[in-house]
Amino acid sequence: AQSVAQPEDQVNVAEGNPLTVKCTYSVSGNPYLFWYVQYPNRGLQFLLKYITGDNLVKGSYGFEAEFNKSQTSFHLKKPSALVSDSALYFCAVRGRDDYKLSFGAGTTVTVRA
Amino acid sequence: DAGVTQSPTHLIKTRGQHVTLRCSPISGHKSVSWYQQVLGQGPQFIFQYYEKEERGRGNFPDRFSARQFPNYSSELNVNALLLGDSALYLCASSLVTGSSYEQYFGPGTRLTVT
Repeated sequence: AQSVAQPEDQVNVAEGNPLTVKCTYSVSGNPYLFWYVQYPNRGLQFLLKYITGDNLVKGSYGFEAEFNKSQTSFHLKKPSALVSDSALYFCAVRGRDDYKLSFGAGTTVTVRA
Repeated sequence: DAGVTQSPTHLIKTRGQHVTLRCSPISGHKSVSWYQQVLGQGPQFIFQYYEKEERGRGNFPDRFSARQFPNYSSELNVNALLLGDSALYLCASSLVTGSSYEQYFGPGTRLTVT
């Protein structure tokens, strides 16, 4: 069985400060990992994915994520947060031969001006 | 290009009724997946369809069914609605069904069962 844990329900940062949203996963074999963002009354928007290769993945809107196999983590980062980054963030995992995408419970990010 | 579209946007049904939700994928995408997102939780996988065939099913009762049409659009049907079926139902499309491909989500259909 595959699963994702997002240990923080909420993350609060000041605009201009670094933002980190944590994610750990459990899956058989090597994973495919994804980050999505959800704004109020909207569907999920794809931010970035890890498939293979470089452990640091760059995505949309200045976000990046670091894959750490030994810690089974895939933390989302942004060097300088914007107020417009305030949203609900989901980490998701899929096994290499699996059709099912499993999501974490989500982390609400609030960036204060 | 249009993204994934879903209809209706909102829906209110009574317990025991039936509901049909519709989804049109991004042009050129052949795989459609359905998810249920209960308030305060992450999306839960319901079905995946590719080339009109069911490729995967999540842990949902037989009251939930779906199909994919020749134009790759899809319907999700839920029979004998329960209060617990109230949720945001998300449709996602991807180019093909391979697990490395990201899925693109529609805005969802908000179903309220009273």
